[in-house]
Amino acid sequence: EAGVTQSPTHLIKTRGQQATLRCSPISGHTSVYWYQQALGLGLQFLLWYDEGEERNRGNFPPRFSGRQFPNYSSELNVNALELEDSALYLCASSRATGANRGGELFFGEGSRLTVL
Amino acid sequence: AQRVTQPEKLLSVFKGAPVELKCNYSYSGSPELFWYVQYSRQRLQLLLRHISRESIKGFTADLNKGETSFHLKKPFAQEEDSAMYYCALKSADGLTFGKGTHLIIQP
Repeated sequence: EAGVTQSPTHLIKTRGQQATLRCSPISGHTSVYWYQQALGLGLQFLLWYDEGEERNRGNFPPRFSGRQFPNYSSELNVNALELEDSALYLCASSRATGANRGGELFFGEGSRLTVL
Repeated sequence: AQRVTQPEKLLSVFKGAPVELKCNYSYSGSPELFWYVQYSRQRLQLLLRHISRESIKGFTADLNKGETSFHLKKPFAQEEDSAMYYCALKSADGLTFGKGTHLIIQP
């Protein structure tokens, strides 16, 4: 079974530009989560999608947005990039929320975004 | 709002010594708690969950609602336990992680 895949692995942008990160969940998983892992800050929750809808978002400005497609893949968009957006962005997937009482998330390897 | 606190950024113990990674939480509802682990150059993965009351790789964790804690313990540390450990709390808003503890097992 293929795991969660994320692309690109690395991305270098300059301030003010836009970045798009992509995530393909494990087959059969309908929930996708995005986390930002910045140095010293642990895993900061960004967004949660389930069945194509945004279920919750973390304490991030509106320039962080995303969507989930009908095939349950997802993309994260970061507009007007700032230096402090440099981080590892992790995507995770899980089975349908109702069925996933266990709460296990399966993580991708992440996309490393560097803003210069 | 829920919160997960891991007070130790770094914990270093010798091989064979007991290990305890601390986790405290703040949540108004009935909590579901987890420990995730990230070994060097590997993905973040689930280690154990409190509802299963299981022991994985010799680790156990007991939910103490009175102290709002979910500490991870292992009686005898092994070198392969060196990793980043994250405590997480599940709520209707998703999964909230602590900032993690870097566990180093010295030979």
